[in-house]
Amino acid sequence: EPEVTQTPSHQVTQMGQEVILRCVPISNHLYFYWYRQILGQKVEFLVSFYNNEISEKSEIFDDQFSVERPDGSNFTLKIRSTKLEDSAMYFCASRGGQGPYEQYFGPGTRLTVT
Amino acid sequence: KQEVTQIPAALSVPEGENLVLNCSFTDSAIYNLQWFRQDPGKGLTSLLLIQSSQREQTSGRLNASLDKSSGRSTLYIAASQPGDSATYLCAVRGYGGATNKLIFGTGTLLAVQP
Repeated sequence: EPEVTQTPSHQVTQMGQEVILRCVPISNHLYFYWYRQILGQKVEFLVSFYNNEISEKSEIFDDQFSVERPDGSNFTLKIRSTKLEDSAMYFCASRGGQGPYEQYFGPGTRLTVT
Repeated sequence: KQEVTQIPAALSVPEGENLVLNCSFTDSAIYNLQWFRQDPGKGLTSLLLIQSSQREQTSGRLNASLDKSSGRSTLYIAASQPGDSATYLCAVRGYGGATNKLIFGTGTLLAVQP
């Protein structure tokens, strides 16, 4: 069964460093998402991406964040200068172009900023 | 602004019991609702998706119902097993664009005692 994959599973970085989280969505999907979950809190939407551009972003997704689909299979989230409060589990999700619009989630990348 | 709440926050039951998890949302204008399972430190596994036009969906021992007008959904788990122990999340998708985000509830932590 096709699945969303994410790498790395765990990333430790120092405050101020840049990180890139990688996702490979399900191959025929057209819509891509990043969510995050700070420990003990709700899963929160960050950004959605369709047709090679951002279609919606939350207030969390400020200028420090960017997304890219560099090669037609990968979908990346970049955080330019990490802060302690960026420590969270980051989930990638994708869905197809036709109903019922179910979103499929990857296993997540745990980002720890020290 | 859509708010999603889940009650109870935690539930412990003996193996074999039937149980009900509740999800409520403040804005009834939803496109669909998904129930997810999350194991500790892991990703989100989609269990069921209910379209706004549907009243319920079933998968194995799971049955999810939706009452859009009252802003409620329930997840019924029959004959619970220790392997059902996990956090259960509901998430709603609103209208207003093809790429609309999921808004997640707070989750119910379920423990099934052998």
